[in-house]
Amino acid sequence: KQEVTQIPAALSVPEGENLVLNCSFTDSAIYNLQWFRQDPGKGLTSLLLIQSSQREQTSGRLNASLDKSSGRSTLYIAASQPGDSATYLCAAKNSGGGADGLTFGKGTHLIIQP
Amino acid sequence: NAGVTQTPKFQVLKTGQSMTLQCAQDMNHEYMSWYRQDPGMGLRLIHYSVGAGITDQGEVPNGYNVSRSTTEDFPLRLLSAAPSQTSVYFCASSYSNRLTDTQYFGPGTRLTVL
Repeated sequence: KQEVTQIPAALSVPEGENLVLNCSFTDSAIYNLQWFRQDPGKGLTSLLLIQSSQREQTSGRLNASLDKSSGRSTLYIAASQPGDSATYLCAAKNSGGGADGLTFGKGTHLIIQP
Repeated sequence: NAGVTQTPKFQVLKTGQSMTLQCAQDMNHEYMSWYRQDPGMGLRLIHYSVGAGITDQGEVPNGYNVSRSTTEDFPLRLLSAAPSQTSVYFCASSYSNRLTDTQYFGPGTRLTVL
């Protein structure tokens, strides 16, 4: 059974810093890896989706990488802003276990200090 | 487009009561799913549907029923509410279940069972 772990569970950094969020998964037979953002009391917003054949995806100040062989993905946030404060979730989509096959990590709670 | 909508936003039930959580999407998405999110547990899949008239169980289906009579709607029914069903419930949809399809999430329903 796939297990997804996110480290750290919480992170607080000053505004303007570059930062990296980590996601690891135990089963490398994934179809894709997605990063989501969740604001307090809100639903999830998709940030980036990396297919298993890709190594990275970029959107604005966000860059997500994927290393299937080591079972790791990272989300890099450049020049952080207070508006980036949220919980970031990664989810691995596996090749088995139902049509959905999405396994979520528990998230990293990020606070950007003004 | 309104995207994925969920009603109600908040609900308090007594043990043994039944209720239906509503979910609708206006993006003509074939694939819809229900998750629950609990502290320290991450999101877990309850039920999903790959199209109208087709539903299947996810990771934690016990105590819940679903139906998919139209492409737009995917209600989740709690048959006899239990305190263990206290959670935040999210509905999600995507165009299909292809590997490249991003999932869109609703804002969630916060349910408390006393």
